[in-house]
Amino acid sequence: NAGVMQNPRHLVRRRGQEARLRCSPMKGHSHVYWYRQLPEEGLKFMVYLQKENIIDESGMPKERFSAEFPKEGPSILRIQQVVRGDSAAYFCASSLGAADTQYFGPGTRLTVL
Amino acid sequence: GENVEQHPSTLSVQEGDSAVIKCTYSDSASNYFPWYKQELGKRPQLIIDIRSNVGEKKDQRIAVTLNKTAKHFSLHITETQPEDSAVYFCAAVYSSASKIIFGSGTRLSIRP
Repeated sequence: NAGVMQNPRHLVRRRGQEARLRCSPMKGHSHVYWYRQLPEEGLKFMVYLQKENIIDESGMPKERFSAEFPKEGPSILRIQQVVRGDSAAYFCASSLGAADTQYFGPGTRLTVL
Repeated sequence: GENVEQHPSTLSVQEGDSAVIKCTYSDSASNYFPWYKQELGKRPQLIIDIRSNVGEKKDQRIAVTLNKTAKHFSLHITETQPEDSAVYFCAAVYSSASKIIFGSGTRLSIRP
C-alpha cells in the first residue's frame, strides 16, 4: 500500500511564475490536507479538502493561492505569481476520515529565485 | 484562538538518559494529540498519539501523558539513542475542524 505521494519533490520558479504542486493520498483516503513549513519553523495548516470540496481554507493566503481535489486525479495546490516569501516546503497529508490519523507525504520544496 | 505552545525549543541529553518535551494547548475542544518526528529534509512521521479519553499511552521507549484539566501533554523518551536525534512536534486536533495545529518544535540532540 503506497503512502502519500507528492510531486515534484523539488521545484524552482522565478518570481512571477506559477507553481503547481500535486498530492496523491494513500489508497482509500478521501481527506487531504496541505501544510507549509518555512525553514527552521513548524508546519502551518493551509487547507483541508475532500473529493471536489474545500472543507476548511482558513490557513490559505487570500490571494494567489488555490487548491482543488477533483473527483479523479491528485489534489493540486496552485500558487500564482510566486514571490520569494513563498519559498518553503509544502507537505500534503491524507486521512481515512475526518479527525483520523494524518499521514504525510515527502513534501515539495519550492524555491523562488 | 487555536494555539499549541511547545517547550523547550532545543534539548540536548546524554545517550541513555531520558528526554521530556512539554506542550500546552488553548482550545478545550481538542480531543486528539499526535506527536511527529521529523528528520532533516524528511517528512513528519507519526510516532505516538493519544486521545482525550486516555491519560497515558506507552509504546516501547516512548510515552505520552495528557492532563485535560490543565491542557498539558508531554512526550517522554527513555534510554535515548543517537537515532532519536530529530525535531519533534506536538500537535492538537479539533474533531470539528480536523486540521492539525502544530507546536513550534523541539530540536533533540543525543550526545554520545
